Amino acid sequence: DIVMTQSPDSLAVSLGERVTINCKSSQSVLYSSNSKNYLAWYQLKPRQPPKLLIYWASTRESGVPDRFSGSGSGTDFTLTISSLQAEDVAVYYCQQYYSDGTFGQGTKVEIK
Amino acid sequence: QVQLQESGPGLVKPSETLSLTCAVSGYSISSGYYWGWFRQPPGKGPEWIGSISHTGSTYYNPSLKSRVIISRDTSKNQFYLKMSSVTAADTAVYYCARGASTIVAVMGDWGQGTLVTVSS
Repeated sequence: DIVMTQSPDSLAVSLGERVTINCKSSQSVLYSSNSKNYLAWYQLKPRQPPKLLIYWASTRESGVPDRFSGSGSGTDFTLTISSLQAEDVAVYYCQQYYSDGTFGQGTKVEIK
Repeated sequence: QVQLQESGPGLVKPSETLSLTCAVSGYSISSGYYWGWFRQPPGKGPEWIGSISHTGSTYYNPSLKSRVIISRDTSKNQFYLKMSSVTAADTAVYYCARGASTIVAVMGDWGQGTLVTVSS
């Protein structure tokens, strides 16, 4: 099984500041035949369904604000929120879909 | 605009079978995409249960595969989840969803979710 580990578990950032969330997989999720990283990011808020933000590690889902961006390759990935807004308070999860679709443990983002 | 709505019993007894329906409107499940089931136990992260393609092929999380069947009825534009031999560990909010792009286990459009409690 591929284990996904996120860091930090939580962080508090001032409005307008940059947020960086890291996700590390226990083995590479880069598929050599198509050079794609099988990595997605979701935003979860209480009593709401998950919202897909990013897939293929860096492709933004339609309608997602461009302050959200994804980067990385192989085993190390990052979700960046360039300027934190109040509505971004949530728990963020990475998910690998190279094998079996496992999620990280989540990173809680709060406002300082 | 696609809409998904989960329905089914909110309470299931241990050892019994959990059965949920996802009614889809605004898009035909036989036209494209993967259609999936996820769950989120209280206080925990999401878990992919499995998906069914627009052609009817099924894909399951190996950790649940022995207990799960996903099926569909294209005439009703619905797909289904059956999970057998449930325990308290299966208590969760269950979501149905439509896949993003051509990806089996990544979902872009979601239902609101339905809480299923396993208890006697």
